[in-house]
Amino acid sequence: DIQMTQSPSSVSASVGDRVTITCRASQSISIWLAWYQQKPGKAPNLLIYAASSLQSGVPSRFSGSGSGTDFSLTISSLQPEDFATYYCHQANSFPFTFGPGTKVDIK
Amino acid sequence: QVQLVESGGGVVQPGRSLRLSCAASGFIFSTYGMHWVRQAPGKGLEWVALIYYDGSSKYYADSVKGRFTISRDNSKNTVSLQMNSLRADDTAVYYCARGGDWNSLDYWGQGTLVTVSS
Repeated sequence: DIQMTQSPSSVSASVGDRVTITCRASQSISIWLAWYQQKPGKAPNLLIYAASSLQSGVPSRFSGSGSGTDFSLTISSLQPEDFATYYCHQANSFPFTFGPGTKVDIK
Repeated sequence: QVQLVESGGGVVQPGRSLRLSCAASGFIFSTYGMHWVRQAPGKGLEWVALIYYDGSSKYYADSVKGRFTISRDNSKNTVSLQMNSLRADDTAVYYCARGGDWNSLDYWGQGTLVTVSS
């Protein structure tokens, strides 16, 4: 199975900050990677697919990059509604796997 | 608008069975793969299973293989998860999700809680 790691596990940031979260796969997954945002008590919400494609309706301050084993999610200017937990997800091979999550909270 | 509504969760004793259902609306159900994903209390997301749009292929997480079965009824726009031999570590919120571009999960239900406890 492909293992996914994320760093940092948590980050404290202020509104307006640029935040970058990294995700690493244990083997190459090309660009078969998605990012999700989850707020407490809610279902996850798809942000990015194919490593860098922005899902319809997602603000442009979210961007993704990477290929192979190393990926990143960047929030260019953190907004109050962005405080949440973010998960990466490899969709290259079964079983699909998620990263452990990165919690973004208020500094 | 796309809507996914899970049902069937509840409290069940270890070793017993439970069947979850997910009712889909707002899209052509028979053209999309469907997934189940779970989240144990206070933990991260765990992918559980996928069924292709036509039911021709099914894939499972190692942790549920042989115990859980995913199925779908395209005439009723529903996807189900039959869970047998339940264990305490199956306790989680179970989400159904639609398969999107590049195998992403583009729409999710609100989830249904399964608690396995004696």
